[in-house]
Amino acid sequence: NAGVTQTPKFQVLKTGQSMTLQCAQDMNHEYMSWYRQDPGMGLRLIHYSVGAGITDQGEVPNGYNVSRSTTEDFPLRLLSAAPSQTSVYFCASSYSGQGNEKLFFGSGTQLSVL
Amino acid sequence: AQTVTQSQPEMSVQEAETVTLSCTYDTSENNYYLFWYKQPPSRQMILVIRQEAYKQQNATENRFSVNFQKAAKSFSLKISDSQLGDTAMYFCAFMWNTGNQFYFGTGTSLTVIP
Repeated sequence: NAGVTQTPKFQVLKTGQSMTLQCAQDMNHEYMSWYRQDPGMGLRLIHYSVGAGITDQGEVPNGYNVSRSTTEDFPLRLLSAAPSQTSVYFCASSYSGQGNEKLFFGSGTQLSVL
Repeated sequence: AQTVTQSQPEMSVQEAETVTLSCTYDTSENNYYLFWYKQPPSRQMILVIRQEAYKQQNATENRFSVNFQKAAKSFSLKISDSQLGDTAMYFCAFMWNTGNQFYFGTGTSLTVIP
């Protein structure tokens, strides 16, 4: 059982470049989400999805795009990278309705934008 | 919007001693969940303990326990018999039961001193 698989682990971009962070889960979870972690700011929600075909914005959505074509996959796209997007990114999935809700995290992506 | 506050950016404790990490939150919801996640230097996010707001009994997991004060909107984590492996960043998180969005505090960096 792989859980939440997130790739790549590290990435360096130049300002203006675009890229996609991949996220896949094999637990059949309805909910998937993306967070960014910055020093002194905790984890902030970028985008989330409550099921295939449904996405919504979180606290810090600007500069990012998501889609959810399948239950398993939830990629995060950086449209035009900026130095302010240098951060650690986490994908997470969760389920609800069973009285045991919790977040399962991927291993994170360290992104540097030069 | 829900907010989660961790007022202790850094803490230290001697090995085998007890330490308490503080967390307060603000919400108008009545049914929700609270969590403590641990992030060691490996960057992995690990669930430490979980509390349902409708349960008056404080959750415990081995050496970890919480003091949940619903009226005061306080959710502190007590670590007993601290071990070197407890050295990590600890995040308090909130989730309300009608959605699946998690809100995190800014974290407390705990160092266990041998």
